Amino acid sequence: DAGVTQSPTHLIKTRGQHVTLRCSPISGHKSVSWYQQVLGQGPQFIFQYYEKEERGRGNFPDRFSARQFPNYSSELNVNALLLGDSALYLCASFPVGVDYEQYFGPGTRLTVT
Amino acid sequence: EDKVVQSPLSLVVHEGDTVTLNCSYEVTNFRSLLWYKQEKKAPTFLFMLTSSGIEKKSGRLSSILDKKELSSILNITATQTGDSAIYLCAVCSNTGKLIFGQGTTLQVKP
Repeated sequence: DAGVTQSPTHLIKTRGQHVTLRCSPISGHKSVSWYQQVLGQGPQFIFQYYEKEERGRGNFPDRFSARQFPNYSSELNVNALLLGDSALYLCASFPVGVDYEQYFGPGTRLTVT
Repeated sequence: EDKVVQSPLSLVVHEGDTVTLNCSYEVTNFRSLLWYKQEKKAPTFLFMLTSSGIEKKSGRLSSILDKKELSSILNITATQTGDSAIYLCAVCSNTGKLIFGQGTTLQVKP
Protein backbone atom coordinates (compact mmCIF):
# COMPACT_ATOMS: atom_id res chain seq x y z
CA ASP A 1 0.00 0.00 0.00
CA ALA A 2 1.28 3.45 -0.86
CA GLY A 3 2.06 5.76 2.01
CA VAL A 4 1.62 9.50 2.10
CA THR A 5 3.16 11.07 -0.99
CA GLN A 6 4.36 14.64 -1.38
CA SER A 7 5.58 16.64 -4.32
CA PRO A 8 7.94 18.08 -5.20
CA THR A 9 10.72 16.58 -3.08
CA HIS A 10 12.95 19.62 -3.35
CA LEU A 11 12.27 23.19 -4.38
CA ILE A 12 14.36 26.34 -4.63
CA LYS A 13 12.57 29.68 -4.74
CA THR A 14 13.52 33.35 -4.51
CA ARG A 15 12.29 35.74 -1.84
CA GLY A 16 8.91 37.21 -2.74
CA GLN A 17 7.84 34.29 -4.91
CA HIS A 18 4.92 31.97 -4.31
CA VAL A 19 5.05 28.19 -3.81
CA THR A 20 2.52 25.34 -3.88
CA LEU A 21 3.24 22.05 -2.17
CA ARG A 22 1.13 18.94 -2.72
CA CYS A 23 0.18 15.96 -0.58
CA SER A 24 -1.73 12.75 -1.28
CA PRO A 25 -2.91 10.89 1.81
CA ILE A 26 -2.90 7.17 2.41
CA SER A 27 -5.84 5.53 0.65
CA GLY A 28 -8.86 5.67 2.93
CA HIS A 29 -7.53 8.54 5.03
CA LYS A 30 -9.73 11.62 4.80
CA SER A 31 -7.75 14.00 6.95
CA VAL A 32 -4.38 15.70 6.56
CA SER A 33 -2.15 17.93 8.63
CA TRP A 34 0.71 20.15 7.50
CA TYR A 35 3.85 20.81 9.53
CA GLN A 36 6.93 22.98 9.05
CA GLN A 37 10.25 21.67 10.32
CA VAL A 38 13.10 24.13 10.42
CA LEU A 39 16.56 22.58 10.61
CA GLY A 40 17.40 21.53 14.15
CA GLN A 41 13.85 21.86 15.46
CA GLY A 42 10.79 19.69 15.80
CA PRO A 43 7.88 20.03 13.35
CA GLN A 44 5.48 22.93 13.93
CA PHE A 45 1.77 22.57 13.20
CA ILE A 46 0.48 24.72 10.32
CA PHE A 47 -2.96 23.40 9.29
CA GLN A 48 -5.27 20.47 9.71
CA TYR A 49 -8.07 19.50 7.32
CA TYR A 50 -10.69 17.06 8.46
CA GLU A 51 -12.93 15.74 5.71
CA LYS A 52 -12.24 18.80 3.54
CA GLU A 53 -12.88 21.38 6.24
CA GLU A 54 -10.21 23.35 8.07
CA ARG A 55 -10.14 22.08 11.61
CA GLY A 56 -7.14 23.88 13.01
CA ARG A 57 -4.53 26.46 12.22
CA GLY A 58 -1.18 27.01 13.87
CA ASN A 59 0.58 30.27 14.61
CA PHE A 60 1.55 31.09 11.03
CA PRO A 61 0.94 34.32 9.07
CA ASP A 62 -1.81 34.69 6.47
CA ARG A 63 0.81 34.14 3.75
CA PHE A 64 0.25 30.46 4.48
CA SER A 65 -2.95 28.89 3.19
CA ALA A 66 -4.14 25.40 2.39
CA ARG A 67 -7.04 23.49 0.97
CA GLN A 68 -8.24 19.94 0.63
CA PHE A 69 -9.80 18.55 -2.52
CA PRO A 70 -12.72 16.12 -2.97
CA ASN A 71 -10.23 13.24 -3.38
CA TYR A 72 -8.72 14.27 0.04
CA SER A 73 -5.41 15.37 -1.46
CA SER A 74 -4.19 18.72 -0.19
CA GLU A 75 -2.20 21.77 -1.19
CA LEU A 76 -0.19 24.14 0.96
CA ASN A 77 0.40 27.57 -0.52
CA VAL A 78 2.91 30.11 0.72
CA ASN A 79 2.95 33.64 -0.70
CA ALA A 80 5.64 36.33 -0.55
CA LEU A 81 8.34 33.87 0.49
CA LEU A 82 10.85 34.90 3.13
CA LEU A 83 14.26 33.40 3.84
CA GLY A 84 12.82 32.07 7.10
CA ASP A 85 10.34 29.94 5.19
CA SER A 86 13.19 27.62 4.24
CA ALA A 87 12.30 24.33 5.87
CA LEU A 88 11.09 20.77 5.42
CA TYR A 89 7.33 20.77 4.94
CA LEU A 90 5.69 17.59 6.14
CA CYS A 91 2.22 16.31 5.41
CA ALA A 92 0.56 13.69 7.61
CA SER A 93 -2.64 11.80 6.99
CA PHE A 94 -4.90 9.90 9.34
CA PRO A 95 -8.25 8.13 9.36
CA VAL A 96 -11.34 9.98 10.54
CA GLY A 97 -11.56 9.75 14.30
CA VAL A 98 -8.00 8.47 14.72
CA ASP A 99 -6.13 11.76 14.71
CA TYR A 100 -3.56 10.56 17.22
CA GLU A 101 -2.20 8.08 14.67
CA GLN A 102 -0.77 10.35 11.99
CA TYR A 103 1.46 8.96 9.22
CA PHE A 104 3.98 11.30 7.66
CA GLY A 105 5.07 11.72 4.06
CA PRO A 106 8.70 12.22 3.05
CA GLY A 107 8.34 15.97 3.00
CA THR A 108 9.22 18.77 0.60
CA ARG A 109 12.51 20.54 1.21
CA LEU A 110 11.98 24.24 0.39
CA THR A 111 14.96 26.54 0.08
CA VAL A 112 14.36 30.27 -0.27
CA THR A 113 17.29 32.32 -1.54
CA GLU B 1 1.01 28.05 25.65
CA ASP B 2 1.34 24.34 24.95
CA LYS B 3 4.92 23.14 25.22
CA VAL B 4 6.88 19.90 24.80
CA VAL B 5 10.52 19.76 25.90
CA GLN B 6 12.97 16.97 25.16
CA SER B 7 16.30 16.22 26.74
CA PRO B 8 19.07 15.78 26.05
CA LEU B 9 19.17 17.57 22.70
CA SER B 10 21.96 15.32 21.50
CA LEU B 11 23.63 12.16 22.65
CA VAL B 12 26.62 10.11 21.47
CA VAL B 13 26.95 6.51 22.64
CA HIS B 14 28.68 3.32 21.57
CA GLU B 15 27.03 0.21 20.25
CA GLY B 16 25.64 -1.92 23.05
CA ASP B 17 24.96 1.01 25.38
CA THR B 18 21.51 1.69 26.83
CA VAL B 19 20.04 5.17 26.38
CA THR B 20 17.14 7.00 27.97
CA LEU B 21 15.50 9.92 26.22
CA ASN B 22 13.25 12.29 28.14
CA CYS B 23 10.15 14.24 27.21
CA SER B 24 8.13 16.59 29.40
CA TYR B 25 4.99 18.44 28.42
CA GLU B 26 2.56 21.17 29.36
CA VAL B 27 -0.41 20.71 27.06
CA THR B 28 -4.02 21.50 27.75
CA ASN B 29 -6.49 18.81 26.68
CA PHE B 30 -3.89 16.05 26.53
CA ARG B 31 -5.01 13.10 24.47
CA SER B 32 -1.92 11.00 23.83
CA LEU B 33 1.87 11.11 23.66
CA LEU B 34 3.70 9.78 20.64
CA TRP B 35 7.30 8.92 19.87
CA TYR B 36 8.68 9.14 16.33
CA LYS B 37 12.04 8.25 14.78
CA GLN B 38 13.30 10.55 12.02
CA GLU B 39 16.24 9.32 10.00
CA LYS B 40 16.21 11.34 6.80
CA LYS B 41 12.87 12.93 6.16
CA ALA B 42 9.57 11.38 7.23
CA PRO B 43 9.14 10.76 10.96
CA THR B 44 8.18 7.12 11.46
CA PHE B 45 5.81 6.15 14.24
CA LEU B 46 7.23 4.24 17.22
CA PHE B 47 4.78 4.34 20.11
CA MET B 48 1.58 5.93 21.30
CA LEU B 49 0.88 6.24 25.02
CA THR B 50 -2.40 7.24 26.60
CA SER B 51 -3.97 7.21 30.02
CA SER B 52 -5.09 3.65 29.39
CA GLY B 53 -1.79 2.49 27.92
CA ILE B 54 1.09 4.01 29.81
CA GLU B 55 3.79 1.48 28.93
CA LYS B 56 4.75 0.10 25.53
CA LYS B 57 7.56 -2.17 24.38
CA SER B 58 8.79 -3.27 20.99
CA GLY B 59 11.99 -5.23 20.79
CA ARG B 60 14.81 -3.16 22.24
CA LEU B 61 12.64 -0.04 22.53
CA SER B 62 10.29 0.73 25.37
CA SER B 63 8.45 3.78 26.59
CA ILE B 64 6.61 4.84 29.72
CA LEU B 65 4.18 7.69 30.33
CA ASP B 66 4.03 9.35 33.74
CA LYS B 67 0.80 11.35 33.75
CA LYS B 68 1.43 12.65 37.24
CA GLU B 69 4.81 14.10 36.31
CA LEU B 70 3.64 15.02 32.77
CA SER B 71 6.58 13.24 31.23
CA SER B 72 7.66 10.23 29.25
CA ILE B 73 10.86 8.31 28.65
CA LEU B 74 12.02 6.29 25.68
CA ASN B 75 14.54 3.57 26.41
CA ILE B 76 16.71 1.86 23.84
CA THR B 77 18.76 -1.10 25.03
CA ALA B 78 21.74 -2.70 23.26
CA THR B 79 21.96 0.21 20.84
CA GLN B 80 23.02 -0.37 17.24
CA THR B 81 24.36 2.02 14.61
CA GLY B 82 20.98 1.78 12.89
CA ASP B 83 19.41 3.47 15.90
CA SER B 84 21.19 6.70 14.96
CA ALA B 85 18.43 9.19 14.24
CA ILE B 86 16.46 12.10 15.63
CA TYR B 87 13.86 10.96 18.14
CA LEU B 88 10.79 13.18 18.34
CA CYS B 89 8.26 13.32 21.12
CA ALA B 90 4.82 14.77 20.33
CA VAL B 91 1.68 15.32 22.34
CA CYS B 92 -1.68 15.05 20.60
CA SER B 93 -4.34 17.43 21.89
CA ASN B 94 -8.05 16.71 21.66
CA THR B 95 -8.17 18.76 18.45
CA GLY B 96 -5.79 16.34 16.77
CA LYS B 97 -2.95 18.85 16.69
CA LEU B 98 0.49 17.36 17.36
CA ILE B 99 2.82 19.50 19.47
CA PHE B 100 6.40 18.37 18.98
CA GLY B 101 9.50 18.76 21.09
CA GLN B 102 12.81 19.85 19.60
CA GLY B 103 13.97 16.28 19.17
CA THR B 104 16.95 14.35 20.52
CA THR B 105 19.71 13.56 18.05
CA LEU B 106 21.19 10.16 18.87
CA GLN B 107 24.47 9.03 17.35
CA VAL B 108 25.55 5.44 17.96
CA LYS B 109 29.21 4.79 17.22
CA PRO B 110 30.50 1.33 16.26
